[in-house]
Amino acid sequence: QSALTQPASVSGSPGQSITISCTGTSSDVGSYNLVSWYQQHPGKAPKLMIYEGSKRPSGVSNRFSGSKSGNTASLTISGLQAEDEADYYCCSYAGSSTRVFGGGTKLTVL
Amino acid sequence: QLQLQESGPGLVKPSETLSLTCTVSGGSISSSSYYWGWIRQPPGKGLEWIGSIYYSGSTYYNPSLKSRVTISVDTSKNQFSLKLSSVTAADTAVYYCATERAARFDYWGQGTLVTVSS
Repeated sequence: QSALTQPASVSGSPGQSITISCTGTSSDVGSYNLVSWYQQHPGKAPKLMIYEGSKRPSGVSNRFSGSKSGNTASLTISGLQAEDEADYYCCSYAGSSTRVFGGGTKLTVL
Repeated sequence: QLQLQESGPGLVKPSETLSLTCTVSGGSISSSSYYWGWIRQPPGKGLEWIGSIYYSGSTYYNPSLKSRVTISVDTSKNQFSLKLSSVTAADTAVYYCATERAARFDYWGQGTLVTVSS
């Protein structure tokens, strides 16, 4: 079971849109619509932002959206704001009752 | 709203067993709606799923840790626990407990740092 692959860092200016990719395999991301995304600010616990690929929990801004194509899931943040600067992690069901996280992506708002 | 709180020793010696407890408030651990999970994060690194348990006692572990991990639930205390045996410095991490539904982790504890050192 290998970690999902995410870019180490992405950046964008306020108001812009960015996309973070999460690449897995046909055994995890590609086989199940069970990808979730988490936002983590320094020293804080992760916060669920997207689940089941594209659904937003109550209270999460609609600037956050998720999608999937093949073995790659994506998180898009539109209208970037300073408070979006954080680490982002994807997670997928990986079969056989296991779950796997991505390595994380540091988002910098320029 | 569910709240979770981790507790346990912050320092464990190499080769010993790490033991943590997660206390659940604002809801019952016997709820059929949730699994209860443990996730860890080494300093400066990413998240790693350790394992999850259902209130009935069914457990699911990360294959890479399975030989050393035991997760149990105590419905009378509304708690679930993690034991990780034969620890090394590589097990130094912030350990989080969380609720889980359909492979998503909804509610998280604040996390507790466990350092493995003699």
